[in-house]
Amino acid sequence: NAGVTQTPKFRVLKTGQSMTLLCAQDMNHEYMYWYRQDPGMGLRLIHYSVGEGTTAKGEVPDGYNVSRLKKQNFLLGLESAAPSQTSVYFCASSYEGNVLTFGAGSRLTVL
Amino acid sequence: AQSVTQPDIHITVSEGASLELRCNYSYGATPYLFWYVQSPGQGLQLLLKYFSGDTLVQGIKGFEAEFKRSQSSFNLRKPSVHWSDAAEYFCAVGARDTGNQFYFGTGTSLTVIP
Repeated sequence: NAGVTQTPKFRVLKTGQSMTLLCAQDMNHEYMYWYRQDPGMGLRLIHYSVGEGTTAKGEVPDGYNVSRLKKQNFLLGLESAAPSQTSVYFCASSYEGNVLTFGAGSRLTVL
Repeated sequence: AQSVTQPDIHITVSEGASLELRCNYSYGATPYLFWYVQSPGQGLQLLLKYFSGDTLVQGIKGFEAEFKRSQSSFNLRKPSVHWSDAAEYFCAVGARDTGNQFYFGTGTSLTVIP
């Protein structure tokens, strides 16, 4: 039982490049979330989804897009990466929108 | 607006000593409250949660937390700390009427000295 799997685990981008982070969960959870973690700032919600085909903005959505075409997958896209997007990104999922199960994180560096 | 404050950025305790990590929240009603722990290079793991009922909740690894509505607090405690408890601890708040969003504190880093 894998839980929440994030790929890739590490990525280095140049400013202006694009990329997609993939989150996959095998627990049949309805809710999925993308957070970013920066030193001294805790976790901040980027986007979230309350079900297949739905997405919503969180606290810090600018510069990111998401899609939830399949229930088990939640994709986070950066269309034009900026150094301010250097961070550790965490995906999480939840069955009823309460307890979160987290992935191991994806460390992104934008040069 | 919902918010979570963890006033202690870093705490150092001796192994075997007691521990209390502070968490205060701002929310209009009784929220769901959580404590998560993060070991270096890892994701977050749930320690315990409070939804309703008994205000003293027990979690994994010997941790407990007490919800105090009058103080808007949800402090985490452990009577005797082990070296393996060294980690980052996050308090979080959420509820259905926030659109199922969860708000995290900035974290408290715990160092345990032998």
